[in-house]
Amino acid sequence: KQEVTQIPAALSVPEGENLVLNCSFTDSAIYNLQWFRQDPGKGLTSLLLIQSSQREQTSGRLNASLDKSSGRSTLYIAASQPGDSATYLCAVRPQETSGSRLTFGEGTQLTVNP
Amino acid sequence: GAGVSQTPSNKVTEKGKYVELRCDPISGHTALYWYRQSLGQGPEFLIYFQGTGAADDSGLPNDRFFAVRPEGSVSTLKIQRTERGDSAVYLCASSLAGGITGELFFGEGSRLTVL
Repeated sequence: KQEVTQIPAALSVPEGENLVLNCSFTDSAIYNLQWFRQDPGKGLTSLLLIQSSQREQTSGRLNASLDKSSGRSTLYIAASQPGDSATYLCAVRPQETSGSRLTFGEGTQLTVNP
Repeated sequence: GAGVSQTPSNKVTEKGKYVELRCDPISGHTALYWYRQSLGQGPEFLIYFQGTGAADDSGLPNDRFFAVRPEGSVSTLKIQRTERGDSAVYLCASSLAGGITGELFFGEGSRLTVL
């Protein structure tokens, strides 16, 4: 059974810092990995999707990397801003099924202080 | 619509009652997913539709939970004889391709509270 772990569970940083959020998964047979952002009381917003054949994806100040063989992904946020405060979730999709069952981590709650 | 729409946004009900939660996916998205999120946890998979049919319902916790998508667009999640443990945010997502390359887009969820 796939298990996804995110470390740290919570992180508080001053504005302007660069930071790294970590995601690990137990079964490396994944098809892709997706990073989401969730604001309090809201749904999930997709940030980056990395296919298993890719090493990284970038969008603006965000960069996500994937090391499938070691079961790890990181989300790098450059020059953090108070508006980045949210919970960040990673989710993996398995290879053996066709389109269902993302397995999520429990998230990292990020607070960026002005 | 522009995004995935879920109604109601909040639902408070009494133990033992019947509840329906509705999801309107992004127009043209063939795949639709239901997830459940408890406080402080990541979302947990419930069911996945490809078109009108449930392609994978293995995440439904028991037979009190049922979902339909009769015309391949709007879906309704139905919960019978609600229990306090059913209290959670129920999230709906849709994707264009439905296959394993499809990026998921989520609605804002329906928060269910069972008293």
